[in-house]
Amino acid sequence: AQSVAQPEDQVNVAEGNPLTVKCTYSVSGNPYLFWYVQYPNRGLQFLLKYITGDNLVKGSYGFEAEFNKSQTSFHLKKPSALVSDSALYFCAVNTNAGKSTFGDGTTLTVKP
Amino acid sequence: DAGVIQSPRHEVTEMGQEVTLRCKPISGHNSLFWYRQTMMRGLELLIYFNNNVPIDDSGMPEDRFSAKMPNASFSTLKIQPSEPRDSAVYFCASSSPAGGPEDTQYFGPGTRLTVL
Repeated sequence: AQSVAQPEDQVNVAEGNPLTVKCTYSVSGNPYLFWYVQYPNRGLQFLLKYITGDNLVKGSYGFEAEFNKSQTSFHLKKPSALVSDSALYFCAVNTNAGKSTFGDGTTLTVKP
Repeated sequence: DAGVIQSPRHEVTEMGQEVTLRCKPISGHNSLFWYRQTMMRGLELLIYFNNNVPIDDSGMPEDRFSAKMPNASFSTLKIQPSEPRDSAVYFCASSSPAGGPEDTQYFGPGTRLTVL
């Protein structure tokens, strides 16, 4: 069975500082990894995904994620955080049939 | 495209009443997912369809819950009878047409259900 872990319930950073939201995964076979963001009272929105190829994936709103096979991690990063990045972030891994297993989510708070 | 459409956006009902939530997926998407989100349990997959056929309903809490997808552009999630512990935000999502692991899910705005 596949699983995703987001070890931090909450991440706090100051505006302008780099941010990292952590995700580790467990799958048998090739991992298909995703990050989604949820703003208050909204549905989840796709940020980026890793399917194959370059380990550094670039996505929406200046976010990127680094796939590390040896550490089974897929951490979300941004060089300079904005207050508007404050939201709930979900890491997910897909099955071959396209079914997603989501992590528990990490609340990111960016303070001015 | 208008994205995934859900209705109603908010529903307040009394215990014992029937509740029907509706979803219109993005045109051309052939997979549809129903999720429930609560503070206590996070985001839970209830059921998903591929080409209008239910593939995995192992997340459906109990027989009070049922879901249908009569055609490619419409799905319902019904709770009968509803209970206070069903109060949650229910999301519908659809995914791009490959039906495989590369598919990105597109979520609707959700229905906030409150059962009194």
